[in-house]
Amino acid sequence: NAGVTQTPKFRILKIGQSMTLQCTQDMNHNYMYWYRQDPGMGLKLIYYSVGAGITDKGEVPNGYNVSRSTTEDFPLRLELAAPSQTSVYFCASRGGEKLFFGSGTQLSVL
Amino acid sequence: DQQVKQNSPSLSVQEGRISILNCDYTNSMFDYFLWYKKYPAEGPTFLISISSIKDKNEDGRFTVFLNKSAKHLSLHIVPSQPGDSAVYFCAASSNTGNQFYFGTGTSLTVIP
Repeated sequence: NAGVTQTPKFRILKIGQSMTLQCTQDMNHNYMYWYRQDPGMGLKLIYYSVGAGITDKGEVPNGYNVSRSTTEDFPLRLELAAPSQTSVYFCASRGGEKLFFGSGTQLSVL
Repeated sequence: DQQVKQNSPSLSVQEGRISILNCDYTNSMFDYFLWYKKYPAEGPTFLISISSIKDKNEDGRFTVFLNKSAKHLSLHIVPSQPGDSAVYFCAASSNTGNQFYFGTGTSLTVIP
């Protein structure tokens, strides 16, 4: 019973590098979300998806891209990493009125 | 524009006493509210929720109260236990939207 799985757990990037944060869920949920958590700032929504092939911007989408080719997977892409993207990233899926979160990816951009 | 606010960054209580965590919101369209608990290096986990048609919801030691006129909700933990020490996030959503809006969190420390 894995729920929402995120990889990697930790990553250090250099400025200008790119990477993809992986997220997969095994609960057959249509809705999936990407949040970032900065100290003292709570959780900010980056992008979300209401189903395969459908994505939409959240509060802080700049510098990120997403795709949703399957119900299970919702990867988050950083194309040109910047220090402002240093954060903890959480993926979540929605079951009913609840969000189920992965364990997070701690990303540092130096 | 923070639509969900938790004005107390931290709270300390003695074991066995009551913990009260507060949350305010600005959007009158919100009709569903949730509390999440987060331990270090883990993702948030669902704790308790309340619909706007209710003013109270109880689950064991946890009770959430909703005051719609004041746009305020609170989470009561009675009795508090050391294992309750965590960051608590308040969240809100509306049935006309797809997004959940989170507060900035309150770090609760329960002192043995």
